[in-house]
Amino acid sequence: GAVVSQHPSWVICKSGTSVKIECRSLDFQATTMFWYRQFPKQSLMLMATSNEGSKATYEQGVEKDKFLINHASLTLSTLTVTSAHPEDSSFYICSASAYRAGEQYFGPGTRLTVT
Amino acid sequence: DQQVKQNSPSLSVQEGRISILNCDYTNSMFDYFLWYKKYPAEGPTFLISISSIKDKNEDGRFTVFLNKSAKHLSLHIVPSQPGDSAVYFCAADSGNTPLVFGKGTRLSVIA
Repeated sequence: GAVVSQHPSWVICKSGTSVKIECRSLDFQATTMFWYRQFPKQSLMLMATSNEGSKATYEQGVEKDKFLINHASLTLSTLTVTSAHPEDSSFYICSASAYRAGEQYFGPGTRLTVT
Repeated sequence: DQQVKQNSPSLSVQEGRISILNCDYTNSMFDYFLWYKKYPAEGPTFLISISSIKDKNEDGRFTVFLNKSAKHLSLHIVPSQPGDSAVYFCAADSGNTPLVFGKGTRLSVIA
């Protein structure tokens, strides 16, 4: 149990376009989802925390207008990278919890390449 | 199929003693390993890492050991403190794919 999926697993887009990444909890209802950015050989950077039905809470330094997060249902959260630039190329990983302080399950990640 | 396994979902240790958290992996392409600590209602925070060219990395009370032949790594915390009570995630990096996480081990340090 407790499976989190992400789609797509790899996306290539042109500079200036927007790309949407989905995070789904497959067998449980996730009231809280976290979005992370991973840099090579570096630690994860928490970008934002989203609770179902409310606005996401962004970490300091993360542009909320550039990284749009929607947590419209208990099983789906989306991250939209708007007007992507090559420096946005990275792995993006989501995780989901059944409740705010509960066990956290990680998705497999999405590799974004902006050309 | 889990590529990174933390077989102990929970661990209880007395304050002052050593905590040993274990992690096994299956993918020989992993060349970098990280440990994260997570408190309730927060995202994981990076704790310590180790490259596959090393077999030990130490940072204060935290030491990570890597046994490549056994595809096993462990995190040692000594002495354990009540504030160490958290969930610990092991993660592996191959450089070409996102980090692969274990399911975590909940450590309880009892005063």
